[in-house]
Amino acid sequence: DGGITQSPKYLFRKEGQNVTLSCEQNLNHDAMYWYRQDPGQGLRLIYYSQIVNDFQKGDIAEGYSVSREKKESFPLTVTSAQKNPTAFYLCASSIETGAHFNTEAFFGQGTRLTVV
Amino acid sequence: GQQVMQIPQYQHVQEGEDFTTYCNSSTTLSNIQWYKQRPGGHPVFLIQLVKSGEVKKQKRLTFQFGEAKKNSSLHITATQTTDVGTYFCAQRGGATNKLIFGTGTLLAVQP
Repeated sequence: DGGITQSPKYLFRKEGQNVTLSCEQNLNHDAMYWYRQDPGQGLRLIYYSQIVNDFQKGDIAEGYSVSREKKESFPLTVTSAQKNPTAFYLCASSIETGAHFNTEAFFGQGTRLTVV
Repeated sequence: GQQVMQIPQYQHVQEGEDFTTYCNSSTTLSNIQWYKQRPGGHPVFLIQLVKSGEVKKQKRLTFQFGEAKKNSSLHITATQTTDVGTYFCAQRGGATNKLIFGTGTLLAVQP
């Protein structure tokens, strides 16, 4: 069953702790994205990666870090440097090579992070 | 940061009324995508428009791409409670063709 999986669905952390959100896809997609969504807000791009071992900062990368060691995986670490980490985090993937450069994005179910 | 503007931000309608959301960009778009996010859910792709002036329909939903490819609209005819959610437009921008989402329009439908 193909898809994109985020875990966990809900996550609670104490202020000052780093936390890593998981994102795995078995769609064989080249590109993966992390977005942040705050209540009543749009999707803001944190980081994206279009190829293994390479990633680019999005509009709100400060306080976050990522890695792309495998095509299937794109974990996001929310560091203690992120001032307002409580939010809904969405991971997405899409095909972005060759003739398929403008294809749709498939999203995971999201992780709701609460920092107390 | 780079975002595509959508209006309105929020719309409340009675069931059976029509609804339209608009997506505006200051630059010419190569294409535009539309997504729907149900409350508590994740965005789901609806459609992509590529050609200038293109119009596509999905049942009660009509999508339009402006002639200048700087704006787009989504129109829902005779809304139903199942239409509730946030509608996003998205564009691919920059040298890397990254996917950037609009600010979204939250639609509430009263039965």
